[in-house]
Amino acid sequence: DAGVTQSPTHLIKTRGQHVTLRCSPISGHKSVSWYQQVLGQGPQFIFQYYEKEERGRGNFPDRFSARQFPNYSSELNVNALLLGDSALYLCASSPPGVGEQFFGPGTRLTVL
Amino acid sequence: EDQVTQSPEALRLQEGESSSLNCSYTVSGLRGLFWYRQDPGKGPEFLFTLYSAGEEKEKERLKATLTKKESFLHITAPKPEDSATYLCAVQADAGGTSYGKLTFGQGTILTVHP
Repeated sequence: DAGVTQSPTHLIKTRGQHVTLRCSPISGHKSVSWYQQVLGQGPQFIFQYYEKEERGRGNFPDRFSARQFPNYSSELNVNALLLGDSALYLCASSPPGVGEQFFGPGTRLTVL
Repeated sequence: EDQVTQSPEALRLQEGESSSLNCSYTVSGLRGLFWYRQDPGKGPEFLFTLYSAGEEKEKERLKATLTKKESFLHITAPKPEDSATYLCAVQADAGGTSYGKLTFGQGTILTVHP
């Protein structure tokens, strides 16, 4: 079975630009969560969506937004990029009724 | 606020030298504690879920245990391919059927030398 997929793999942007990251969950999973991982730290929670509704939001500025589509795929959008937004962005999906989250390979974002 | 602290930050072992990684946590009602393995530049790989104190899970050379305040990941006779960052995360009871965010520790970097 295919795991969580994310695109693009790598991305280089400059300060002030906008970026869109994409995620496709494991088939049958209806919940998608986004995390930011900076080098040397554990992942930090950004958003969780379930059945296309936002179910949780972490301590991130309004420059970060996300949505989930009818096929349960998801997008994470970041506006007005800052140098500090450089990180590995991880998407995770969960099957109904369980707490485990299964992660994709991540998108490495570099902001110059 | 949920908090997770992992120790040590880094651990270097010789092949075959068993050891343990620690995960201390505070959470307002534990729904689950999760262990992940992460290789450099890749996403975390799910290893175990523990739900209640006294529970144990095993997979190959790894064994995870849980108390009311901490979890241990025991590595028996490790091999070089066990080298990775091991992450611990907790999930709080959000009520109802919602399964909420994971709060992660900073990880333990394990290096196993041949």
